[in-house]
Amino acid sequence: DGGITQSPKYLFRKEGQNVTLSCEQNLNHDAMYWYRQDPGQGLRLIYYSQIVNDFQKGDIAEGYSVSREKKESFPLTVTSAQKNPTAFYLCASSIMGQGGTEAFFGQGTRLTVV
Amino acid sequence: QKEVEQNSGPLSVPEGAIASLNCTYSDRGSQSFFWYRQYSGKSPELIMSIYSNGDKEDGRFTAQLNKASQYVSLLIRDSQPSDSATYLCAVKVGYSSASKIIFGSGTRLSIRP
Repeated sequence: DGGITQSPKYLFRKEGQNVTLSCEQNLNHDAMYWYRQDPGQGLRLIYYSQIVNDFQKGDIAEGYSVSREKKESFPLTVTSAQKNPTAFYLCASSIMGQGGTEAFFGQGTRLTVV
Repeated sequence: QKEVEQNSGPLSVPEGAIASLNCTYSDRGSQSFFWYRQYSGKSPELIMSIYSNGDKEDGRFTAQLNKASQYVSLLIRDSQPSDSATYLCAVKVGYSSASKIIFGSGTRLSIRP
């Protein structure tokens, strides 16, 4: 089945640890995105990438890092510099172009600092 | 000014009535607009996309776009309890490798029986 797979579904991080969230898609989409959602809030853009080996910072990139070595994969690392990482993290992908460019989402990773 | 603005609600509508959700955006050059539905604890799912001025209908849902007023709306006819969710407006801004999809903060909709 085609889709976007995020793992793990739940993740617990200790203070000072780096953790990496996985996002893989088999939709042959060029663009991939990472969003953060806090309780009762909308989606805020962390990083996005339109092509392999290129990515752009979103509105809240501080404390996060990404890589885009393959078209199918866009992992997000939450570093120890991110002081308040507890949130719901959503990965999405879309095609490029002017029409039909809606984003489709994975099931999300819920990160909690312990 | 936020790039995409929505009334956070909650919006309460009786079952069977029409629910009207509104969204404004700041980038006048935006060409692609989307409505998503998100149930609590789940990821957003696409309801409608709209690219041209006017109305676009899909079942009980109608999206309306007015680029001159930088306004996009979603109407839900014959509202059902299962429509109770948060509705997110999204806009694609920028061009080519710098294009990105920005979301509003969402409107919580509650359908009362």
